[in-house]
Amino acid sequence: DVKVTQSSRYLVKRTGEKVFLECVQDMDHENMFWYRQDPGLGLRLIYFSYDVKMKEKGDIPEGYSVSREKKERFSLILESASTNQTSMYLCASKESTDTQYFGPGTRLTVL
Amino acid sequence: EDQVTQSPEALRLQEGESSSLNCSYTVSGLRGLFWYRQDPGKGPEFLFTLYSAGEEKEKERLKATLTKKESFLHITAPKPEDSATYLCAVTTDSWGKLQFGAGTQVVVTP
Repeated sequence: DVKVTQSSRYLVKRTGEKVFLECVQDMDHENMFWYRQDPGLGLRLIYFSYDVKMKEKGDIPEGYSVSREKKERFSLILESASTNQTSMYLCASKESTDTQYFGPGTRLTVL
Repeated sequence: EDQVTQSPEALRLQEGESSSLNCSYTVSGLRGLFWYRQDPGKGPEFLFTLYSAGEEKEKERLKATLTKKESFLHITAPKPEDSATYLCAVTTDSWGKLQFGAGTQVVVTP
């Protein structure tokens, strides 16, 4: 079974803080993805990575950056958190069949 | 512009009352269509991948089908534990980026 884990289920941060969300997969997958999910807007792609140190912007990258230093770990960074980044953040890992497996999500609240 | 539309937005079923969810898509070069189930506060759980028109996949009370313009998720004799939001997504590129529909929230009452 594919396992994707995320570092926190719930996180509360203050405006202006730097926030790190971590994701780990145990299946040696090449591609990993970060999405955010908001009511009425669905899941939207923030960034993805297709190899170590390789990354591409998704549909809504503004205010975010990512890091992939090891194949199994993909981090999402909020450089200076703002209230409009309050959301559910979901990490996914993709196998060769194009199927993506998601982690449990991190509910981030920015005050 | 690529688009994925799910209908209905919400569905309330009696236990045992079969029904179908629709996912229509307008994309260029479909590589795959995916169905996920999502429970409140959790990440999406993978159900099915469909690659070509005419393909069908089944798992317990769920059956997914694909045509050139849409996919259906049939729920046969649902139980309360089938209550969830069902998400449809498509991919059109080699990176495997997913474009999601808004989802159908299904509630099955005893």
